[in-house]
Amino acid sequence: KQEVTQIPAALSVPEGENLVLNCSFTDSAIYNLQWFRQDPGKGLTSLLLIQSSQREQTSGRLNASLDKSSGRSTLYIAASQPGDSATYLCAVTPPGGSYIPTFGRGTSLIVHP
Amino acid sequence: ETGVTQTPRHLVMGMTNKKSLKCEQHLGHNAMYWYKQSAKKPLELMFVYNFKEQTENNSVPSRFSPECPNSSHLFLHLHTLQPEDSALYLCASSQELWDRGNQPQHFGDGTRLSIL
Repeated sequence: KQEVTQIPAALSVPEGENLVLNCSFTDSAIYNLQWFRQDPGKGLTSLLLIQSSQREQTSGRLNASLDKSSGRSTLYIAASQPGDSATYLCAVTPPGGSYIPTFGRGTSLIVHP
Repeated sequence: ETGVTQTPRHLVMGMTNKKSLKCEQHLGHNAMYWYKQSAKKPLELMFVYNFKEQTENNSVPSRFSPECPNSSHLFLHLHTLQPEDSALYLCASSQELWDRGNQPQHFGDGTRLSIL
């Protein structure tokens, strides 16, 4: 059974720092991996999606990498801002007929001014 | 405004009550989803509907009964729930079936459910 772990569970940093959030998964047979953002009391917003054949994806100050063989992904946030404060979730989807994703529990990020 | 509206935002009910959660989207999407987010477990996909037909049931107990009368509306009927069912229930929609994330999902803000 696929398990997804996100480390750290919580992170508090001053504005301007470059951050790395980690996501690991136990079964390397994945179709893709997706990073989401969730603001308090809100639903999820998709940030980046990496197909299993890709190594990284970039969007603005965000860069996500994928090392499928080692079961790891990182989300890099450059020059963090208070508006980046949120919970960041990663999810992997399996190959084959079912596409039920497995989510991690998230990293709660606070960027203080 | 996310385009996906969930009502009510908060719900407190006893274990013997019957209630329903409602989700509505005005984005013209064809696929809709129910997720459960509890304090003790990661986010879980519960049900998937595509063109009003259920395509996925992720081993959800029968005390949760989904209904999709049309592509714009999705309900989750609740009956005889347990305390461990207390959670945030999120609805999402996408233009076409999510198919492992290739179609972006739009999420509502959820219904916070508390079971007494």
